[in-house]
Amino acid sequence: KNQVEQSPQSLIILEGKNCTLQCNYTVSPFSNLRWYKQDTGRGPVSLTIMTFSENTKSNGRYTATLDADTKQSSLHITASQLSDSASYICVVRPMNTGFQKLVFGTGTRLLVSP
Amino acid sequence: NAGVTQTPKFQVLKTGQSMTLQCAQDMNHNSMYWYRQDPGMGLRLIYYSASEGTTDKGEVPNGYNVSRLNKREFSLRLESAAPSQTSVYFCASNTPDRATYEQYFGPGTRLTVT
Repeated sequence: KNQVEQSPQSLIILEGKNCTLQCNYTVSPFSNLRWYKQDTGRGPVSLTIMTFSENTKSNGRYTATLDADTKQSSLHITASQLSDSASYICVVRPMNTGFQKLVFGTGTRLLVSP
Repeated sequence: NAGVTQTPKFQVLKTGQSMTLQCAQDMNHNSMYWYRQDPGMGLRLIYYSASEGTTDKGEVPNGYNVSRLNKREFSLRLESAAPSQTSVYFCASNTPDRATYEQYFGPGTRLTVT
């Protein structure tokens, strides 16, 4: 069964510190892997999308990495800010399925404390 | 350009009542989606519409109906609400970029069924 698991479930860090969120998936083969940021009370917003052939993708202070061999991805946040407090969701699109077939992780809830 | 809009933002229903959740997008996207998000679970697809005039079931369609009114609007109807349908509902639409099928989400509707 296609699954996406994220760790940790929640994380508290001090403002200015770095952190790394993990995503392990069993989806194979896959077309692309996405990271979304979801602020409380809002819909998810895309941070990065990586195809199966890409290793890394950056968006400002957010850097996603992908290891297709170990089926792991990570999202690294540099110099965290209070506005980074949100849930971060890893999403994998299987290959050779309809474009609507996305597999969502349950998310990591990040709290950046002053 | 408002993106994806949803109404209402909040709703409380009694068991057995009916209601329609509205969604509209102004990005000229062909495809639109309804998801539900529950604590401890990833987003789950209820219904989707690949293009105007077509709708298909997703992962959890029971208890719901949809209407793709035109290219802009996609509504979700609960005919007889049940407490199990208490959730946050998100509408999303697809970019025409077939390489990534980037999805854009609305702000969500928080529904409570008592």
